[in-house]
Amino acid sequence: SQKIEQNSEALNIQEGKTATLTCNYTNYSPAYLQWYRQDPGRGPVFLLLIRENEKEKRKERLKVTFDTTLKQSLFHITASQPADSATYLCALDMKNRDDKIIFGKGTRLHILP
Amino acid sequence: NAGVMQNPRHLVRRRGQEARLRCSPMKGHSHVYWYRQLPEEGLKFMVYLQKENIIDESGMPKERFSAEFPKEGPSILRIQQVVRGDSAAYFCASSRGRGEADTQYFGPGTRLTVL
Repeated sequence: SQKIEQNSEALNIQEGKTATLTCNYTNYSPAYLQWYRQDPGRGPVFLLLIRENEKEKRKERLKVTFDTTLKQSLFHITASQPADSATYLCALDMKNRDDKIIFGKGTRLHILP
Repeated sequence: NAGVMQNPRHLVRRRGQEARLRCSPMKGHSHVYWYRQLPEEGLKFMVYLQKENIIDESGMPKERFSAEFPKEGPSILRIQQVVRGDSAAYFCASSRGRGEADTQYFGPGTRLTVL
């Protein structure tokens, strides 16, 4: 079955630096790969979507890359701020196969002032 | 322009009781998804519904769990005879459709505690 791996340990980054989070998956490449942000006690919030035929997508300080050969996506936050501290979830939209979205466990990011 | 609404936000039940979780999708959205999240775990897909239809319930336990999305009113996730292992956060999401641009918008979740 399809599996997603995200860094299970929390990531501590100094304010102003670039934070890079990793999402690896097995088996099939998704139609789309999505990134969400989740704050404690709240539901996930959609951030970015990248298609399987795209290499890179940007939105303000966020950048996502997608390598279907490596079966990996990287999520970058540049000029990080303490307000970026949250859990970031990677999700595979398997619309091309069985119409499900499969979520990773997420990586907790702490931006240190 | 209200987002996805879920209620109650917190629900406490004793073993053997029934839990009913409600989800009102965003205005204009006819697709609803239910997920379960355990502490330190990812969101696990449970069921995908459109108005009056269950499209995919492959993630939902076969016993004690049911979901509906009637023509009028919210979507309901019903858990009968709850057990301690049902304690989790249950999130509902809605979308306009299942196209590329149809992002899922999540509600704040219902935290179920089974005593």
